[in-house]
Amino acid sequence: EAGVAQSPRYKIIEKRQSVAFWCNPISGHATLYWYQQILGQGPKLLIQFQNNGVVDDSQLPKDRFSAERLKGVDSTLKIQPAKLEDSAVYLCASSYNRIAGGHNEQFFGPGTRLTVL
Amino acid sequence: QKEVEQNSGPLSVPEGAIASLNCTYSDRGSQSFFWYRQYSGKSPELIMSIYSNGDKEDGRFTAQLNKASQYVSLLIRDSQPSDSATYLCALGFQKLVFGTGTRLLVSP
Repeated sequence: EAGVAQSPRYKIIEKRQSVAFWCNPISGHATLYWYQQILGQGPKLLIQFQNNGVVDDSQLPKDRFSAERLKGVDSTLKIQPAKLEDSAVYLCASSYNRIAGGHNEQFFGPGTRLTVL
Repeated sequence: QKEVEQNSGPLSVPEGAIASLNCTYSDRGSQSFFWYRQYSGKSPELIMSIYSNGDKEDGRFTAQLNKASQYVSLLIRDSQPSDSATYLCALGFQKLVFGTGTRLLVSP
């Protein structure tokens, strides 16, 4: 079974530029998550999609970050304009979301390491 | 807001020893608990999930959950140098809240 795919793996941009990340979840996984992981910290949830609807975006800085999941499969996360503090690894995860039974294991992609200069 | 606390380490153990990693949490309503392993420069990899009080064993790994005391632990038996990594504790049903991780160093 193929895992979560992400691209690009690395990105270096100047502050105030824009950047976009792409994620393809595990086949059949209805729920998709974007996390931000700053060096030395655990991942922090930015946004959660259930199919193509947003479930939780309470920690997404909406003045500069946006995300979409068209057709309920692939997703893109965009930052515009980028700030120095956005330097981090952006992780995409997916889960099958078995409502019956109530547990929800999440599997991560390789991540995109963003450096903002 | 759920909080998850982990000792950042490093926890150093010799090869073949038992490594014990601990995690405490603040939300008494938490139902699902996970341990992820993260090698330097890599993404988190799910190694254990536990939902009920008690122990759950999978190979060399044992997860222990005590909801009354609000802690979850991970034991790694017969530790190997390849186990050297950061271990992240996470909890939640849909939205996972992660600790900052404990760095484990296994010396040959």
